Amino acid sequence: QKEVEQDPGPLSVPEGAIVSLNCTYSNSAFQYFMWYRQYSRKGPELLMYTYSSGNKEDGRFTAQVDKSSKYISLFIRDSQPSDSATYLCAMSQGGSEKLVFGKGTKLTVNP
Amino acid sequence: NAGVTQTPKFRILKIGQSMTLQCTQDMNHNYMYWYRQDPGMGLKLIYYSVGAGITDKGEVPNGYNVSRSTTEDFPLRLELAAPSQTSVYFCASSPRRQLYEQYFGPGTRLTVT
Repeated sequence: QKEVEQDPGPLSVPEGAIVSLNCTYSNSAFQYFMWYRQYSRKGPELLMYTYSSGNKEDGRFTAQVDKSSKYISLFIRDSQPSDSATYLCAMSQGGSEKLVFGKGTKLTVNP
Repeated sequence: NAGVTQTPKFRILKIGQSMTLQCTQDMNHNYMYWYRQDPGMGLKLIYYSVGAGITDKGEVPNGYNVSRSTTEDFPLRLELAAPSQTSVYFCASSPRRQLYEQYFGPGTRLTVT
């Protein structure tokens, strides 16, 4: 079983839709959970991070962590064409220099 | 601030050639990282450094070497390039041991034929 699983998509939605992106993981020691956005031919940029379980909201973006189910989600409300990118989940154990990344989900928001 | 810069942007190598990928950051970050990203895959850590003179292996270090003589620079050396090293290479830095604060460079696309 891979440490982090993420459906690569691609996912195509109309503008204004609510988008749900998900990752599952197997390592119960993970404590930090991150979502990165990567535009085509660019480096990843941090979108949101969450420590342990719970929700975190930032504008149109909401990150959720359910440690009991080993499941994390990123919701995008009122999606825009500018949200079209690949979204990578990443996680780490406390005290570790190692980030474990999912494969990324490619999202296209159609005007 | 330019952030994290990487050179070259693109490179084609023949099998067995060597090259150095350059990475420089101007944010005075102590932590620096090298990742590779294969098509449709997540990023895998090659090497990292927690400060000048200190480096350590990541998940996929074979075929690569690094050095860290200054805070700003963290070059990645490929010796005897192989087709399996065809990938996009990203350098990143962070101000402290908070991995979520990693800032990535624009990447170097390397093809080995």
